[in-house]
Amino acid sequence: EVQLVESGGDLVQPGGSLRLSCVASGFTFRNHWIHWVRQVPGKGLVWVARINEEGREKNYADFAKGRFTISRDNAKNIVYLQMSSLGVEDTAVYYCARDGVAFGYDYWGPGTLVTVSS
Amino acid sequence: QSGLTQVASVSASPGQSITISCTGTIRDVGGYNYVTWYQQHPGTAPRLLIYNVHERPSGISSRFSGSKSGNTASLTVSGLQAEDEADYYCASYTSSYTWVFGGGTKVTVL
Repeated sequence: EVQLVESGGDLVQPGGSLRLSCVASGFTFRNHWIHWVRQVPGKGLVWVARINEEGREKNYADFAKGRFTISRDNAKNIVYLQMSSLGVEDTAVYYCARDGVAFGYDYWGPGTLVTVSS
Repeated sequence: QSGLTQVASVSASPGQSITISCTGTIRDVGGYNYVTWYQQHPGTAPRLLIYNVHERPSGISSRFSGSKSGNTASLTVSGLQAEDEADYYCASYTSSYTWVFGGGTKVTVL
């Protein structure tokens, strides 16, 4: 069974940093791109970043550039999202998703909540 | 990176059909056939309904269909059922090597 499970969400002060993890299982992890998508509770989905199979190609939404870093460890089946200089606007549920079919995210994790507040 | 434009809400009675539009630009929806649609029920993660504009993943009902004309993609849900009440999001690959979502459409089954 394909599974993605995020962790690392927490309450953090403005200006702080946080590292999210996405642990994958049930499929050949190294064969798939992985994306991060976030959602402010009650609001819409927003694409954050993606990483290719080998971890060499990374792309970011404009708001994430320079503050967020996506990486992966194919030996451990984990994708990370390192976030820094966090602001209240970064408060959201963060999902990781597998790019399974032509840029379609066919499996998602349950999400992890990041709250940025003083 | 502006989001794709979706109508905020749509409502219809059981058995009817609805169509949700998703308008972008030549740099995203109009330029690529990488349009996807997701369904999200409250408190749950999104579920992939459509990829490549009109392809359905295994297990997705044929009541869901997708199309595209120019810069606008559409999702049609036919034979509306109570369990179709959810939020629906379109997404597209963009010329900036990024992805963009629509603002979401809340579907209400009357």
